[in-house]
Amino acid sequence: NAGVTQTPKFHILKIGQSMTLQCTQDMNHNYMYWYRQDPGMGLKLIYYSVGAGITDKGEVPNGYNVSRSTTEDFPLRLELAAPSQTSVYFCASRDYGYTFGSGTRLTVV
Amino acid sequence: AQSVSQHNHHVILSEAASLELGCNYSYGGTVNLFWYVQYPGQHLQLLLKYFSGDPLVKGIKGFEAEFIKSKFSFNLRKPSVQWSDTAEYFCAVNAHNAGNMLTFGGGTRLMVKP
Repeated sequence: NAGVTQTPKFHILKIGQSMTLQCTQDMNHNYMYWYRQDPGMGLKLIYYSVGAGITDKGEVPNGYNVSRSTTEDFPLRLELAAPSQTSVYFCASRDYGYTFGSGTRLTVV
Repeated sequence: AQSVSQHNHHVILSEAASLELGCNYSYGGTVNLFWYVQYPGQHLQLLLKYFSGDPLVKGIKGFEAEFIKSKFSFNLRKPSVQWSDTAEYFCAVNAHNAGNMLTFGGGTRLMVKP
């Protein structure tokens, strides 16, 4: 039972490039979330999903997109990366409690 | 919208000192409350949670938290900290009518000196 798996763990992206952060969970949870963590700011919700085919915006969705074609996968896409998107990204899934992935540290230069 | 405040951004303690980290939230309805810990370079791990019942909640590693509804608070405590408690601590709130979203405080970075 792997829980929530995020890839990659680290990535450096150039301004204007695009990339997808992968998130997979094997717990059959309906709810999944993407957060970004910045120093002193806690975690801010980017997007969330309450089930396959359903997604919704969180607090800070600008510059990101998500899809949820299956229960297991909830990829986060960055289009036209900007330095402000340098952050640590955490994916989580929820049943009665939240389970977090190990994070992706992204640097945009 | 719900919000969570952690007033102590950095706390430095010596081993065996007692710890109390403050957490206040702004939401008048029914809430679920959480404390998470993040050790350096690692992901968030659940310390304890409150859903209902006894407002004094005991978690892992000797931590406890008390939900005081009248004060909108959920402070984290530990009687005697250890060097291994050095980490960042996050309070989080899930309001029942807030669209399944978990809102985090800004975090408190705890350093325990041996």
